[in-house]
Amino acid sequence: EDQVTQSPEALRLQEGESSSLNCSYTVSGLRGLFWYRQDPGKGPEFLFTLYSAGEEKEKERLKATLTKKESFLHITAPKPEDSATYLCAVRTLSGGYQKVTFGIGTKLQVIP
Amino acid sequence: DTGVSQDPRHKITKRGQNVTFRCDPISEHNRLYWYRQTLGQGPEFLTYFQNEAQLEKSRLLSDRFSAERPKGSFSTLEIQRTEQGDSAMYLCASSVLALQGEQFFGPGTRLTVL
Repeated sequence: EDQVTQSPEALRLQEGESSSLNCSYTVSGLRGLFWYRQDPGKGPEFLFTLYSAGEEKEKERLKATLTKKESFLHITAPKPEDSATYLCAVRTLSGGYQKVTFGIGTKLQVIP
Repeated sequence: DTGVSQDPRHKITKRGQNVTFRCDPISEHNRLYWYRQTLGQGPEFLTYFQNEAQLEKSRLLSDRFSAERPKGSFSTLEIQRTEQGDSAMYLCASSVLALQGEQFFGPGTRLTVL
């Protein structure tokens, strides 16, 4: 069974204090890894797609990287508005159909 | 606003009642997904459609759940004989076939079963 594990479950940072969130996965036939941001009471907002080991994507203060077993979401000099839950998801093919499995997320709080 | 919309945003019902939710995807998206999310958890896949065809259903989707996407446009998710364990956020997402992983989510419908 596909498994996605995110760590830490919660992270509290001072404004400007850079850090990384981890997403490790155990799947067969990875067809993409995705990062989403979710604010309380709202649906997830798409951030990045990564398809192959060594791939990197950047958007403002966020940078996502992918290895064969895990992905990191690096946050550089975070601001309070970066506070949210960050979700990792993997897409696999199962029985000819796609399947998307989400982790439970990392709840990030950035303190001014 | 051309994003994914869901209606209603909140629904409170009594145990045993039937409820129906609607999702309007982004107009050019041919894939539509339903997820369920409980507090502190990531979204759990329920089912997805390619145009009007329902291609896969999770084992989480019991016989009390049914989803439709007539004409390949909007979709409805019905829950019959609701139970307290059905209380959750129901999320809809859509994507373009060629970019299946880049799903765009709606705001969700928060269901509370009393």
